[in-house]
Amino acid sequence: GAVVSQHPSWVICKSGTSVKIECRSLDFQATTMFWYRQFPKQSLMLMATSNEGSKATYEQGVEKDKFLINHASLTLSTLTVTSAHPEDSSFYICSASGLAGGRTTDTQYFGPGTRLTVL
Amino acid sequence: GQNIDQPTEMTATEGAIVQINCTYQTSGFNGLFWYQQHAGEAPTFLSYNVLDGLEEKGRFSSFLSRSKGYSYLLLKELQMKDSASYLCAVVNNNDMRFGAGTRLTVKP
Repeated sequence: GAVVSQHPSWVICKSGTSVKIECRSLDFQATTMFWYRQFPKQSLMLMATSNEGSKATYEQGVEKDKFLINHASLTLSTLTVTSAHPEDSSFYICSASGLAGGRTTDTQYFGPGTRLTVL
Repeated sequence: GQNIDQPTEMTATEGAIVQINCTYQTSGFNGLFWYQQHAGEAPTFLSYNVLDGLEEKGRFSSFLSRSKGYSYLLLKELQMKDSASYLCAVVNNNDMRFGAGTRLTVKP
């Protein structure tokens, strides 16, 4: 149980275009979803936290107008990188926590990640 | 502020035991996680400690001392596939912060 999927697993786009990444909890209700970014050989950096039906809470230094997050249902959150630039190239990982086995859990289950390359 | 410290790199021999330490200073505490991350992949959940003591799960064990702000991950009977980064993460309310990770290399 507690499986999280992400789509696409990798994407290459031109500078200036927008890219949407989907994160789905397949077998549990994700009341909270998290979006992380990870540069090579560095740890995960939290970008934003989103609760179902609410606006996302962004970490300091993360532009909310550039990284649009939508968490419209208990199983789906999306991250849209708008007007992407080469410096946005990174590994984007979502995680989800919520109702698993009928009880809430703090454990975050990670999606497989999306590798974004902006040319 | 929050500080989570782990060694950057460790090396161990196949079949041996290795202990990866994590110390933290946070304004609040609701639990500590250990995750394993292989290069190019997302982290996978290993353990969760919220009370003091040792949690054993197969070859992996995790220990927590809240009064000392200290945890360790113990890996026994090391295998080559255990070569990975190990991330310590502390939860404060619904906010989880990761340490920089410890890159473990297992040698034959």
